[in-house]
Amino acid sequence: QVQLQESGPGLVKPSETLSLTCTVSGGSISSYYWSWIRQPAGKGLEWIGRIYTSGSTNYNPSLKSRVTMSVDTSKNQFSLKLSSVTAADTAVYYCARDTGSHFDYWGQGTLVTVSS
Amino acid sequence: QSVLTQPPSVSGAPGQRVTISCTGSSSNIGAGYDVHWYQQLPGTAPKLLIYGNSNRPSGVPDRFSGSKSGTSASLAITGLQAEDEADYYCQSYDSSLVGVFGGGTKLTVL
Repeated sequence: QVQLQESGPGLVKPSETLSLTCTVSGGSISSYYWSWIRQPAGKGLEWIGRIYTSGSTNYNPSLKSRVTMSVDTSKNQFSLKLSSVTAADTAVYYCARDTGSHFDYWGQGTLVTVSS
Repeated sequence: QSVLTQPPSVSGAPGQRVTISCTGSSSNIGAGYDVHWYQQLPGTAPKLLIYGNSNRPSGVPDRFSGSKSGTSASLAITGLQAEDEADYYCQSYDSSLVGVFGGGTKLTVL
């Protein structure tokens, strides 16, 4: 059974860079897309972007200028960096396996708060 | 404002049938991209409920069904149970390879 686990700081200062890592267990990271999705408290889901194991990426145009994703197949991990964060970036961040059309496995989510 | 449009809330009594609509456009659902549905129970991560418009992952009861027509899709839940009370989201991709979600629908079991 594939499992995903997000990790990273739960508190980030405004204007700094949010960094999260997702560790995949129970299966290989290869030959799949891997997405990041976030959800502000009480609001809906927002797709941030995805990375293929080759390193190819697709980003949400609304965040593209601030997002960088990377993958480390040797560690079965992929990562998200979101720069110049503001309070509007406060959310639960989920990592998910992306089949190319839908998200079949999700991490439990990690709350990131942007505050000084 | 979400790219896909869902009603904010629906409700039904136990045993009844409810449907949740998801309306997109010619650049996503209408362009032939599949629609998928997720169930999010309070305080938990979303769970895949329907994929490829009408397919259920293993373990999802057949009370849940999905359909797609034109630029819209629907999720139907029959034999409503208290445990079905949750938020439901539709999702697709668009022609720019951007993932898009509906705003979510809160299902209340009366």
